[in-house]
Amino acid sequence: QKEVEQDPGPLSVPEGAIVSLNCTYSNSAFQYFMWYRQYSRKGPELLMYTYSSGNKEDGRFTAQVDKSSKYISLFIRDSQPSDSATYLCAMSETGAQKLVFGQGTRLTINP
Amino acid sequence: DAGVIQSPRHEVTEMGQEVTLRCKPISGHDYLFWYRQTMMRGLELLIYFNNNVPIDDSGMPEDRFSAKMPNASFSTLKIQPSEPRDSAVYFCASRIFGRSGANVLTFGAGSRLTVL
Repeated sequence: QKEVEQDPGPLSVPEGAIVSLNCTYSNSAFQYFMWYRQYSRKGPELLMYTYSSGNKEDGRFTAQVDKSSKYISLFIRDSQPSDSATYLCAMSETGAQKLVFGQGTRLTINP
Repeated sequence: DAGVIQSPRHEVTEMGQEVTLRCKPISGHDYLFWYRQTMMRGLELLIYFNNNVPIDDSGMPEDRFSAKMPNASFSTLKIQPSEPRDSAVYFCASRIFGRSGANVLTFGAGSRLTVL
């Protein structure tokens, strides 16, 4: 079993829809939870991160962490074609240098 | 800042040849990471350095893979001899430990390797 599981998709939704992306994990020591966005032929770039449980909002993006269920989510409101990319979740333990990534979900927003 | 710079962006080579990938991290960053990305396995950490010293190379798949960081502004990942299963996109990433404690990486654009 992988430490971090993420449905690779692909996921295709119409412009303006609310998108929900999710990851599950098995390591209860993970404390930092991140979402990276990767456009085609580019490197991943950090979208947002949270520490421990709770929600964090940044514009149209909301990250949620439920440590009791070992489940994290990224919500995109009012999705735009420019949001079309692969979204990767990533996690690490406190003080650890190693980031463990999910497989990535390929998302397409259709105009 | 130009970000993390990787070269070459694309490399096509034949099985058995030596491949060298290069990375210039962001100035002032004290950690450098090499990742490999494939459709099947996603992003996998190969090795990382702290202040030019290799800290964890447990992700390096075989002895055919080696990495060096001779100074704070340059690192190489070498595959010798290369095999078709090494075909992947290789990413270099660097970071500086932030006040928040989060492990925030800045990735390069990647080197796409095809071994025929």
